[in-house]
Amino acid sequence: EAGVTQFPSHSVIEKGQTVTLRCDPISGHDNLYWYRRVMGKEIKFLLHFVKESKQDESGMPNNRFLAERTGGTYSTLKVQPAELEDSGVYFCASSQDWTLRDARFGELFFGEGSRLTVL
Amino acid sequence: GQNIDQPTEMTATEGAIVQINCTYQTSGFNGLFWYQQHAGEAPTFLSYNVLDGLEEKGRFSSFLSRSKGYSYLLLKELQMKDSASYLCAVRDTLTGGGNKLTFGTGTQLKVEL
Repeated sequence: EAGVTQFPSHSVIEKGQTVTLRCDPISGHDNLYWYRRVMGKEIKFLLHFVKESKQDESGMPNNRFLAERTGGTYSTLKVQPAELEDSGVYFCASSQDWTLRDARFGELFFGEGSRLTVL
Repeated sequence: GQNIDQPTEMTATEGAIVQINCTYQTSGFNGLFWYQQHAGEAPTFLSYNVLDGLEEKGRFSSFLSRSKGYSYLLLKELQMKDSASYLCAVRDTLTGGGNKLTFGTGTQLKVEL
């Protein structure tokens, strides 16, 4: 079974440019998340999709970030225009529906991340 | 606010036992996760605790005390491949079936011969 895949693995852009990150979740996983790790800091939640709907976008830093999940399959995260502080590793994760009796209770499956460097 | 503390680095010897502690202060609690992350790779699930006590899975065990806001990950019979970052994460809400996790900064474990 294929895991969560992210593209590109690494992107280097200049301040003011636009970058689009893509995530393909595990097939059948309705829940898709974006997280971000800025250098030296902890991984932080950005947003959560259930199918194509944004369930929680409380972690999105500002309106330069736009996430979409067309058709409830893959997701994109666009940063426009990029700023220096946007540099970091952007992780996508997915999970299936779970119940309270599920021992792994909504375990997150992470992708390897997209490393964004803004110069 | 949300706060999760864990040591930045630890070093242990191959074959030994190591305990990685995690303390948390969060607005809510609906489970604590431990993830392992090798450099440049995806974090992978290790364990999940929602009730007090010890969960054992092979060489790995995780303990939780909700009243103390404390958890630890115990790794036995350490192997060189266990050298990695270990992430403690708390799920604070169950809203919308979500997994909005608050992570610690991770503990970088180095296993030496």
